Amino acid sequence: GAVVSQHPSRVICKSGTSVKIECRSLDFQATTMFWYRQFPKQSLMLMATSNEGSKATYEQGVEKDKFLINHASLTLSTLTVTSAHPEDSSFYICSAFGTGKRTQYFGPGTRLLVL
Amino acid sequence: AQSVSQHNHHVILSEAASLELGCNYSYGGTVNLFWYVQYPGQHLQLLLKYFSGDPLVKGIKGFEAEFIKSKFSFNLRKPSVQWSDTAEYFCAVNAEGNNRLAFGKGNQVVVIP
Repeated sequence: GAVVSQHPSRVICKSGTSVKIECRSLDFQATTMFWYRQFPKQSLMLMATSNEGSKATYEQGVEKDKFLINHASLTLSTLTVTSAHPEDSSFYICSAFGTGKRTQYFGPGTRLLVL
Repeated sequence: AQSVSQHNHHVILSEAASLELGCNYSYGGTVNLFWYVQYPGQHLQLLLKYFSGDPLVKGIKGFEAEFIKSKFSFNLRKPSVQWSDTAEYFCAVNAEGNNRLAFGKGNQVVVIP
């Protein structure tokens, strides 16, 4: 149980375009999901907390207009990187708490490369 | 906000050697503690966790960790590593009642056959 998937696993896009990344909880309902960014050889940096049915909570320094988060259902959260720039290239990872669970389960990540 | 420190980012050791990875956190209140492992090309997987109770926690694949509250530490140990333990190990902490996890910078562990 507690499987989290992400789609796509990797994406290459041109600078200035927008990219949508999906995060799904496959066998449980997730009222809260988290989006992280991981740079090479570095740790995970929490970007935002995605709450089902309400606005996301962004960490300090993360532009909410650039990284749009939508948590429209109990099994799906999406992260849209708008007007992507090469510096947005990174590994984006989502995680989810199940209802009543105290442990985060992580998706496999999405590798974004902006040319 | 809590922060997490992991030292010795790169660790290289031979099979059958013992492994200990340090993790220290800074937060004065009640915390939940986790160790995650990321094998090459794979996603983060939970190794073990501590919420309360016995401070010596046993996880999967022969790993264990000990919570020492007075030292704000949650060190990970394995008595005898295998080549398949080559991975990156992350310590993470969240304050009780706050779901936001803070991660350490990770330890890249390479086990030489």
